[in-house]
Amino acid sequence: SQQGEEDPQALSIQEGENATMNCSYKTSINNLQWYRQNSGRGLVHLILIRSNEREKHSGRLRVTLDTSKKSSSLLITASRAADTASYFCATDASGGSYIPTFGRGTSLIVHP
Amino acid sequence: DAGVIQSPRHEVTEMGQEVTLRCKPISGHDYLFWYRQTMMRGLELLIYFNNNVPIDDSGMPEDRFSAKMPNASFSTLKIQPSEPRDSAVYFCASSSAGVADTQYFGPGTRLTVL
Repeated sequence: SQQGEEDPQALSIQEGENATMNCSYKTSINNLQWYRQNSGRGLVHLILIRSNEREKHSGRLRVTLDTSKKSSSLLITASRAADTASYFCATDASGGSYIPTFGRGTSLIVHP
Repeated sequence: DAGVIQSPRHEVTEMGQEVTLRCKPISGHDYLFWYRQTMMRGLELLIYFNNNVPIDDSGMPEDRFSAKMPNASFSTLKIQPSEPRDSAVYFCASSSAGVADTQYFGPGTRLTVL
């Protein structure tokens, strides 16, 4: 099964700045999902984007998907200290088992 | 809804002991997943169930690991005998919409094997 890879591994910004993290994958997908994990907690689903979609918004979150480049980005606008967390992408391989596999995550620190 | 419930939240045991982790999925969810998270390997899918039936256990690392789902509201992950390298955070997640859709994670069980 394939695994998405997030980039960068770590990101440190000031409150109010935008944070962008990327996810690359290797084979065609049906869906791509982004999750957040606060320290010591379980993962929380943020957004699911399907392969025929190019962009989705949810509050301060914006996700883009470029299937030709096999990549996705998650943009958090006007970041807050509470956004400090690890962010994971999960991809499922079309034509495969459809089980989402998670990357290693981007660790985001937002300084107040 | 209470969300996915896992117990215990923390478990410390000695090598060779049996460990049982428990999970109650969200009511009405047909899919249940067990994951293991470590710094070295990230988040790994161990096994998942659909309608209480194990569908894919290819992620279960060894025969020392076993999982059951006797009914729609309860699942266990057992490690017997436990080893220090099993130390990790174990997550249970459930989903209603299908294997490729949104998963709802429990808070995890932090296992330490001494």
